[in-house]
Amino acid sequence: KAGVTQTPRYLIKTRGQQVTLSCSPISGHRSVSWYQQTPGQGLQFLFEYFSETQRNKGNFPGRFSGRQFSNSRSEMNVSTLELGDSALYLCASRTGTGDYNEQFFGPGTRLTVL
Amino acid sequence: AQTVTQSQPEMSVQEAETVTLSCTYDTSENNYYLFWYKQPPSRQMILVIRQEAYKQQNATENRFSVNFQKAAKSFSLKISDSQLGDTAMYFCAFMKLGNYGQNFVFGPGTRLSVLP
Repeated sequence: KAGVTQTPRYLIKTRGQQVTLSCSPISGHRSVSWYQQTPGQGLQFLFEYFSETQRNKGNFPGRFSGRQFSNSRSEMNVSTLELGDSALYLCASRTGTGDYNEQFFGPGTRLTVL
Repeated sequence: AQTVTQSQPEMSVQEAETVTLSCTYDTSENNYYLFWYKQPPSRQMILVIRQEAYKQQNATENRFSVNFQKAAKSFSLKISDSQLGDTAMYFCAFMKLGNYGQNFVFGPGTRLSVLP
């Protein structure tokens, strides 16, 4: 079974631009979570989508948004980019039902904001 | 709000030796999960081991075991017979139980180097 894939793997943008990152979960997984990883702040939870609905949200400004499609693929959008948005963005998928199920991480998209 | 602390930013160990990574957390919850994740250099993060807070028995996975002290809110990871492939960032993480939307809280990580 194919793992979680993220595109693109690397991205360079300038301040003020917007960016869209994509995540394709493992087949059969309906939940996709997004995380931001930076050297200073570590791994921080952005949001989780399940069956096209945002189910959980971390403490990030409204410039960070996401959506999920009917095939469970998810996109994350960051508008009006700031230098501090430079980070590795990870997505993770899981089945999403029941009390606990393991989440599987993708390789990440490294975003550099100049 | 929950917090997770890893007091060792970097550690090193000789191949075949044993190393213990520390993790403490703060929560008012009684039911939760704790995890150790491994992120090798330029590779995907993978789950190493998980512990359900309601279980008193410490979890083990081959060479990996934990020492879970619920009252002390401590959750350390012991790696036995360290191998070069164990070189990675290790993250301790907390998840509240019963919340279908998994909202993980990660510690800052410990960079482990296994030396030949």
